[in-house]
This record gives sequence, structure tokens and C-alpha cells, in this order.
Amino acid sequence: GAGVSQTPSNKVTEKGKYVELRCDPISGHTALYWYRQSLGQGPEFLIYFQGTGAADDSGLPNDRFFAVRPEGSVSTLKIQRTERGDSAVYLCASSLTTGVTGELFFGEGSRLTVL
Amino acid sequence: AQSVAQPEDQVNVAEGNPLTVKCTYSVSGNPYLFWYVQYPNRGLQFLLKYITGDNLVKGSYGFEAEFNKSQTSFHLKKPSALVSDSALYFCAVRVLRMDSSYKLIFGSGTRLLVRP
Repeated sequence: GAGVSQTPSNKVTEKGKYVELRCDPISGHTALYWYRQSLGQGPEFLIYFQGTGAADDSGLPNDRFFAVRPEGSVSTLKIQRTERGDSAVYLCASSLTTGVTGELFFGEGSRLTVL
Repeated sequence: AQSVAQPEDQVNVAEGNPLTVKCTYSVSGNPYLFWYVQYPNRGLQFLLKYITGDNLVKGSYGFEAEFNKSQTSFHLKKPSALVSDSALYFCAVRVLRMDSSYKLIFGSGTRLLVRP
């Protein structure tokens, strides 16, 4: 597609449930990033993929959060045993390559609400 | 630790007046700095970046930013504000990893409100 696509755009779930959020990056972009944006805050880095591997997962808040990118394109962010504090907009971004000064291209986000 | 700070939660300006949105940074090495804009219920859109060279960087929608090394600042500016510029603005700094990959660290954001 022309841009980064994220689904679902909105997800409402109950505390304790499992959630998956999907990101389809721009075709040909090898780097993929997940960020979390809470209300009134800037995007907070979660995890970064270069190809299929998670090159930097230092931003994942705890072991309830996990992300995969099995074929080096689409990525899924998985949240187990959701908590109310997980409510936020989850942003995905991609970029052409690493080691250069290119900007990140962001999707419109998946708004997660945990009741 | 590398970081950016946006000291103003909100900036109010009248349409047609110049605007400035402030950003200061703290990095080791040469700073690579970015500005993004976020409209309601939309993702972040790239505005401009400073890598090297001219301290005045021109970007999208008539915005520009001035890099000041001595003051460690990268303020966003526009000579004449439009009501449609009202949005959330984020400053970001690139954090380079050992393998030459990188991530962006964002500031907390500044809401720009342009009055008609």
C-alpha cells in the first residue's frame, strides 16, 4: 500500500483479555517500529525490527508485551492479560533502511481501550 | 541519556503572526533532530529534519527550524501562522545504535492553537 496500515483502528477489550494489533509497513521498508502514545504524551518507543528480528526491544514495559515480524513485513504486537494502564494509541512506523538519516513513516495508530 | 524537551504544553498565536515552538535536546555526538506534526486522530507526519549543514532547515507547509548548537535548541518556526496549523507538534532526536540502526526519541509535544 501507499502508507503504513494499522488494524484495528479501535479496539475495546476487557481487563485480562489478550489483544493483537497488526501493522503493515510500506512495501520495501526493512525497519519497523512500535511506539505507544498515552493521552497527552509523546510517542514512547517499544520495539524495533530490522527484517525479521527484534533488534531492540528495550521499550517493552513487561513480559505481557510481545511482537513478531515472521516474514520481515507485517508485524503483530501482542498484549497478554491486558490492564487498564495499557490503554493508549499504539503507533507503528517503518523506514527504508538503517544507518541513514531517513525519517520514520507512521501509521494512524490503533487505539486500545481496556475496560 | 539522549532526550528532547519541549518546555511549552501549548502555544497560542493569532493567524498571520509568526509562531515558534521550542525544543531543546541532550545528545552525545552530533544531533540528528526531527519535527513531526499530529492532527486529531491521525498518525505523525514528518515536517523536517536537521542532519548537518545549514542551521536553518526548511520543511513542509512553510515550516522551518533553526538549529543552535550553543543553546542545544531546535525551535520550529513559521513566519505567518494559519488556523489549519493548529495541531500537536513533536520534536525528536535520533538515537544511534552500535549496529548503525536507530530509533527516534520524542518529546512530550506542544499543542499549537492558531486563533482566526
